[in-house]
Amino acid sequence: DGGITQSPKYLFRKEGQNVTLSCEQNLNHDAMYWYRQDPGQGLRLIYYSQIVNDFQKGDIAEGYSVSREKKESFPLTVTSAQKNPTAFYLCASSQGPTYNEQFFGPGTRLTVL
Amino acid sequence: AQTVTQSQPEMSVQEAETVTLSCTYDTSESNYYLFWYKQPPSRQMILVIRQEAYKQQNATENRFSVNFQKAAKSFSLKISDSQLGDTAMYFCALSPSGNTPLVFGKGTRLSVIA
Repeated sequence: DGGITQSPKYLFRKEGQNVTLSCEQNLNHDAMYWYRQDPGQGLRLIYYSQIVNDFQKGDIAEGYSVSREKKESFPLTVTSAQKNPTAFYLCASSQGPTYNEQFFGPGTRLTVL
Repeated sequence: AQTVTQSQPEMSVQEAETVTLSCTYDTSESNYYLFWYKQPPSRQMILVIRQEAYKQQNATENRFSVNFQKAAKSFSLKISDSQLGDTAMYFCALSPSGNTPLVFGKGTRLSVIA
């Protein structure tokens, strides 16, 4: 089945540690996105990539980093510089320039202890 | 800057009744897309309906329909014959054409009551 997978579903980390969230898609989509969701805030864009080996900062990129070495993969690293990382993280992808529906993964819940 | 506003943080509706969720937006683009996404308690984001701005006809998907008023920059979602499974957060989203990120509203929490 085609889709987007995110792992792990739940993630716990200690303060001061970096952690990487996985996002993989087998939809052959060019573009991929990372969003953060907090209660009452809707979805906020962290980073996005429209093509392999290229990515752009979103509205809340500080304290996060990404890479796009392969078309199907777009991992997100939450660094120790992120002051309040506890949140729900959603990865998405979209197909092409004329049809912009985004498909979402199931999300990762990150909790900092 | 592009913005999306959902003015109703929470709504409730009786099972089998009809409910309308409001959304207004702002963009300087002439062509763009609008979406309604549903996020049930599982937190999986599901596309409910899409509308292309240059199409004047309102989109419909089974019990879900939109009222798209381009001049007023309004994009409301109507759910007919509400079902318990419609209980979810509903997000309105805007995107210009192309592989560009969506701009989301803050969501409306809809509860369907038996």
